Amino acid sequence: EAGVTQSPTHLIKTRGQQATLRCSPISGHTSVYWYQQALGLGLQFLLWYDEGEERNRGNFPPRFSGRQFPNYSSELNVNALELEDSALYLCASSFGLAGTDTQYFGPGTRLTVL
Amino acid sequence: QKEVEQDPGPLSVPEGAIVSLNCTYSNSAFQYFMWYRQYSRKGPELLMYTYSSGNKEDGRFTAQVDKSSKYISLFIRDSQPSDSATYLCAMSGGTSYDKVIFGPGTSLSVIP
Repeated sequence: EAGVTQSPTHLIKTRGQQATLRCSPISGHTSVYWYQQALGLGLQFLLWYDEGEERNRGNFPPRFSGRQFPNYSSELNVNALELEDSALYLCASSFGLAGTDTQYFGPGTRLTVL
Repeated sequence: QKEVEQDPGPLSVPEGAIVSLNCTYSNSAFQYFMWYRQYSRKGPELLMYTYSSGNKEDGRFTAQVDKSSKYISLFIRDSQPSDSATYLCAMSGGTSYDKVIFGPGTSLSVIP
């Protein structure tokens, strides 16, 4: 069974640009979660989508946004990139019910903002 | 006070040692507790998943939860160099829309 996949593996942008990151969940999973892992910091929760709707959001500015498509894949968009947005962005998926179900992670997209 | 605290290490042990990794938390509503292992430049992978208090064993790994002390542990027996990674504890309140809160991770090196 294929795991969570993310693309691209690496992304290099300059300050002020926009970045788009993509995630495909495990087959059968309806929930997709996005996390930011900056160097030396823990996983910071960004967004949770389930059945196409945003279910919960972390303490990030509105320039971090996303969506979930009918096939349950998801996109994370980061507008007006800042240097401190450089991090590993991880996507995870689960069957749903974030508080009770285990999340399986993809390999991440490493975003570098110059 | 952070919701979940974890000693960042680094922790260095000889091969074959018993490793103890710990997390403390402040939110008494947490009911689901997880341990993830993250190798360098990879996504975290789930190691252990427990509900409420008690012990759970899986091979060389044992997870313990003490809700009265708000303290969880992961023990690794007969540690191997392949166990060298960052270990993240995670927990959630158990309601449908609760977020999962991750600890900052402990970096472990097992020396051959």
